[in-house]
Amino acid sequence: SAVISQKPSRDICQRGTSLTIQCQVDSQVTMMFWYRQQPGQSLTLIATANQGSEATYESGFVIDKFPISRPNLTFSTLTVSNMSPEDSSIYLCSVTGRGNTGELFFGEGSRLTVL
Amino acid sequence: AQSVTQLDSQVPVFEEAPVELRCNYSSSVSVYLFWYVQYPNQGLQLLLKYLSGSTLVKGINGFEAEFNKSQTSFHLRKPSVHISDTAEYFCAVSDMVAGTASKLTFGTGTRLQVTL
Repeated sequence: SAVISQKPSRDICQRGTSLTIQCQVDSQVTMMFWYRQQPGQSLTLIATANQGSEATYESGFVIDKFPISRPNLTFSTLTVSNMSPEDSSIYLCSVTGRGNTGELFFGEGSRLTVL
Repeated sequence: AQSVTQLDSQVPVFEEAPVELRCNYSSSVSVYLFWYVQYPNQGLQLLLKYLSGSTLVKGINGFEAEFNKSQTSFHLRKPSVHISDTAEYFCAVSDMVAGTASKLTFGTGTRLQVTL
């Protein structure tokens, strides 16, 4: 299984600011996924990040609000822009396991509180 | 497209008692099924998975789950729970379309609360 590190692990931010979350994987992976977990909720996929191409966003998520970078096969960033209290969530980075099963491995998550 | 239903949002149970967390899925094709656990202030950890073969799968920490195709269920069980099993449990499914697994779809989660 892959080891996934996220930074920051938690942060408290002011309304209107932006925060960039970093995700580092200990092995090269083709696809990386960013999920949001709002308080008391399940996981919602924000976007899929492929190295060398634009991220693919799910319905309800746009690049202007959640710009993603994927400069190489072991690293990705997610920026939460112009934050509001509704953006208070856990943001999780994940990668697929070996084999074509859809299995995912997750980082510890970044807990974001917007005041 | 697939979907997952976790029928219980919360399950309270006493320590050393058995527990079952229910999960039903909907898909028109073959599926892969997963259970993840999220301990407080942590990310998600894979408990177990069903890919093919035996319908009874065993995972970490004494958990097991049984795939029932006719009832489209994948319920998670443990014969004797411990306080440390207190966590959020998520059922997830991906299905196979044209030989490629789809993205995981997660259920809404079940909060297992173990007390003395």
